[in-house]
Amino acid sequence: AQKVTQAQTEISVVEKEDVTLDCVYETRDTTYYLFWYKQPPSGELVFLIRRNSFDEQNEISGRYSWNFQKSTSSFNFTITASQVVDSAVYFCALSERGSGNTGKLIFGQGTTLQVKP
Amino acid sequence: DARVTQTPRHKVTEMGQEVTMRCQPILGHNTVFWYRQTMMQGLELLAYFRNRAPLDDSGMPKDRFSAEMPDATLATLKIQPSEPRDSAVYFCASGWAGTRGNTGELFFGEGSRLTVL
Repeated sequence: AQKVTQAQTEISVVEKEDVTLDCVYETRDTTYYLFWYKQPPSGELVFLIRRNSFDEQNEISGRYSWNFQKSTSSFNFTITASQVVDSAVYFCALSERGSGNTGKLIFGQGTTLQVKP
Repeated sequence: DARVTQTPRHKVTEMGQEVTMRCQPILGHNTVFWYRQTMMQGLELLAYFRNRAPLDDSGMPKDRFSAEMPDATLATLKIQPSEPRDSAVYFCASGWAGTRGNTGELFFGEGSRLTVL
C-alpha cells in the first residue's frame, strides 16, 4: 500500500535558521514520483518539485534543496536561511506509476512551518 | 497564466441543501482530480477523471456525493444532501497523463471552502 508520512506536525524557527522537513514514503511500485507542495496561508497548493524514483540526485533551487534517499525511503526538504514568507504548510506526496496510474497523488499529513522574524 | 479555476470560493449552506462545486481545468489537461482537505483527515482523494471518464471515485461517499465531467472544460462535484461533516475545503486539480501515465505535477485550484451548518 502506498503511504506518505510527515512525522513533524509543526516546526517553528527564527528567520535565517535552516530547517529540514522530513518525508518518508511506502510503495511497492518500482517506478514512482515524489513531490513537494507548499500551501501558504492563502490556501492554494503550489508545486515545488517532482522527483522520479530513478533519479537520486539531490536538487537545489535557490534556498531550497531536496535529499532523496531510496535506501531509507525518504525525500527530505531543506530550507536554508529561512524567511518569514516561507511560513506555510508543506506537503510531501507520492504518485505511483503502476496500476494504471494517471498521476493521482497521495499526500502526507503536512508540516506547518512557522518562521518568526 | 493558465490556472485551474474553481467556483464558488466560499459557500455556507444549511444541512440538507444541495451543493455544487465547479472546476475549469487547464486547457489541454486530460486528468482532473477532486481532493478534500480537513484538519482531521488532511488531503483526501475523492475522485478522478481521465479524458472525462471517471476512473476512481472510491474515496467518495457514494450515497450523497457525485462527480461528473459534462465536457472537457468543466468538472462538477455535487453533494446532496449536505451534512455538517462535509464542511471542508474542496480542491480541484488537473494534469496531463500520456499513454505511459502522468509524470508531471498536478495544478491545483484555489479551493472551495464549504461550511454546512
